[in-house]
Amino acid sequence: GAGVSQSPRYKVAKRGQDVALRCDPISGHVSLFWYQQALGQGPEFLTYFQNEAQLDKSGLPSDRFFAERPEGSVSTLKIQRTQQEDSAVYLCASSSRGVRQAGGEKLFFGSGTQLSVL
Amino acid sequence: QQQVKQSPQSLIVQKGGISIINCAYENTAFDYFPWYQQFPGKGPALLIAIRPDVSEKKEGRFTISFNKSAKQFSLHIMDSQPGDSATYFCAASSAGNKLTFGGGTRVLVKP
Repeated sequence: GAGVSQSPRYKVAKRGQDVALRCDPISGHVSLFWYQQALGQGPEFLTYFQNEAQLDKSGLPSDRFFAERPEGSVSTLKIQRTQQEDSAVYLCASSSRGVRQAGGEKLFFGSGTQLSVL
Repeated sequence: QQQVKQSPQSLIVQKGGISIINCAYENTAFDYFPWYQQFPGKGPALLIAIRPDVSEKKEGRFTISFNKSAKQFSLHIMDSQPGDSATYFCAASSAGNKLTFGGGTRVLVKP
């Protein structure tokens, strides 16, 4: 596709449910990032993939959060046993280059998945 | 620890006026400073970026001013238009690594 695609657009979950959020990056993009954006705040880094390798997961807030990108394209962010504090917009971004490569820091963001945990 | 502090949180400007948003950072290893524009319901989109080897960069009506010694940088939107009404985020990264974002500034341009 022409841009980064995320689904679902909106997700309502009951506390304790597991959710899975999908990201389709721009075709051929090497790098993929997940960010969490709370209401009225700036995005906060969660995790980074270069192709299928998860090189940085330092931003994941707890072991309930898990991300994968098994074939180096589509990525899924999974949140187990959701809590109210998980309510936020989850943004996916991709880049044509790896980090530490020229242009690797130019990110293209999707429109996000708005997660509401009741 | 908030590594990138952004101000003001919101501002209102008349059409044709100048919008100015400021950011301060702490990490001297940061070497890439982009500004992103975000409309409601959309993801952030890259607007303009600067590296610390220059003090100013201009693209159309948007200008970044960079002060390395003060560890500050700012975005100036000249001739502000109603279509510029959005939330603006400064950000910073080092060695092409993950971006650290500021808290955002909601800009409203009144016709």
